[in-house]
Amino acid sequence: GESVGLHLPTLSVQEGDNSIINCAYSNSASDYFIWYKQESGKGPQFIIDIRSNMDKRQGQRVTVLLNKTVKHLSLQIAATQPGDSAVYFCAEILSGRLYFGRGTQLTVWP
Amino acid sequence: GAVVSQHPSRVICKSGTSVKIECRSLDFQATTMFWYRQFPKQSLMLMATSNEGSKATYEQGVEKDKFLINHASLTLSTLTVTSAHPEDSSFYICSARGLPGQRNTEAFFGQGTRLTVV
Repeated sequence: GESVGLHLPTLSVQEGDNSIINCAYSNSASDYFIWYKQESGKGPQFIIDIRSNMDKRQGQRVTVLLNKTVKHLSLQIAATQPGDSAVYFCAEILSGRLYFGRGTQLTVWP
Repeated sequence: GAVVSQHPSRVICKSGTSVKIECRSLDFQATTMFWYRQFPKQSLMLMATSNEGSKATYEQGVEKDKFLINHASLTLSTLTVTSAHPEDSSFYICSARGLPGQRNTEAFFGQGTRLTVV
């Protein structure tokens, strides 16, 4: 079953600041993690992924960090913009199935 | 990114009728498709995982006779909600994924279907 969770349900940041969204997972057998962004009424949008044999991966303005020792995943968004406001989910692939965490509502204030 | 098309985007049906939702991968072969249900302000709940040509694997608590899933080709999966009731009203989302090691191994999502049963 689902084993991925998020620490904070909401996060508010000021435009231009960096955002950090955290996620905990419980199953050490998970081998692939993905961050998604979901806007209201739409399907999730892929942001960035990371495999379990990595501990960091960078994209455009986003960085994902994976700490397998404590089963923790984080998404860092640099210079957060109003368009980044959405719900962010971490997800894991476990035994070929894609499970989602609880979600964090990110609100960016001007 | 890859394109996954889900249809219809919204549907209203009468209680007791069945509704079919289609999920198509438009530019890649989806060997695996996932179906989710999402309630307002909640996460996506995995209902079932289907691999092309195989029977779907349902998550615990999901009635397979009520939520019929067919994955007959590498580009199409369907979810049929049979004998729908008002409590089945929800946002249903599909996702498609290619084979590990190939392009499009990340899962791409459709835009969702808002089902309202009256």
